Amino acid sequence: QSALTQPASVSGSPGQSITISCSGNIADVGGHNPVSWYQQYPGKAPKVIIYEVSRRPSGVSNRFSGSKSGNTASLTISGLQAEDEADYYCCAYVAFTTNWVFGGGTRLTVV
Amino acid sequence: QVQLVQSGAEVKKPGASVKVSCKASGYTFSNSYIHWVRQAPGQGLEWMGWINPNSGSTKFTQKFQGRVTMTRDTTITTAYMELNRLQADDTAVYYCARGPEWDFDYWGQGTLVTVSS
Repeated sequence: QSALTQPASVSGSPGQSITISCSGNIADVGGHNPVSWYQQYPGKAPKVIIYEVSRRPSGVSNRFSGSKSGNTASLTISGLQAEDEADYYCCAYVAFTTNWVFGGGTRLTVV
Repeated sequence: QVQLVQSGAEVKKPGASVKVSCKASGYTFSNSYIHWVRQAPGQGLEWMGWINPNSGSTKFTQKFQGRVTMTRDTTITTAYMELNRLQADDTAVYYCARGPEWDFDYWGQGTLVTVSS
């Protein structure tokens, strides 16, 4: 199972919006498969910020939103803040395998 | 509150085995899978597999087939991941994470495993 494809890095200025893409295939990101997104600060464990494509856990800012079209999922962060500077990973359940697969990760820089 | 507390850092020689524990509390242990995810230094997250604490059934990604064992002790609500025949590229932080359905909602603090001669 290959890792999902994410851009290695994205950047934005405070107040702007950015979108991180996550591409796969019909067996993982596509179809009805759930996709989740994780935020990770250096030296810390990941934290789920989006699950089931577009749902936000309690306590996660509504500046984070998720969507999916075909075999590509997207994470959008609006109103960028300095504290959003972190690594972001998508993750998808792989149909018919009971496996999961992560994206390669995207480093967000707030400049 | 839900907590996953992992065992401490390990240093192993090539060819050895390591067993990492993940103590769960704050929820019904048998109700959610425990997943194991690793992260090599400077690299991304890699899903390794899961264990169903209720039945003990397991599933691993093909890369680790034959080299990883996942077990649990329901009496002490603890899951274990043992990796055999360690090589230098197994050096990584190993995380356990709770998987109630399709995502991983709580994570352990991570356990650094260093493989070095």
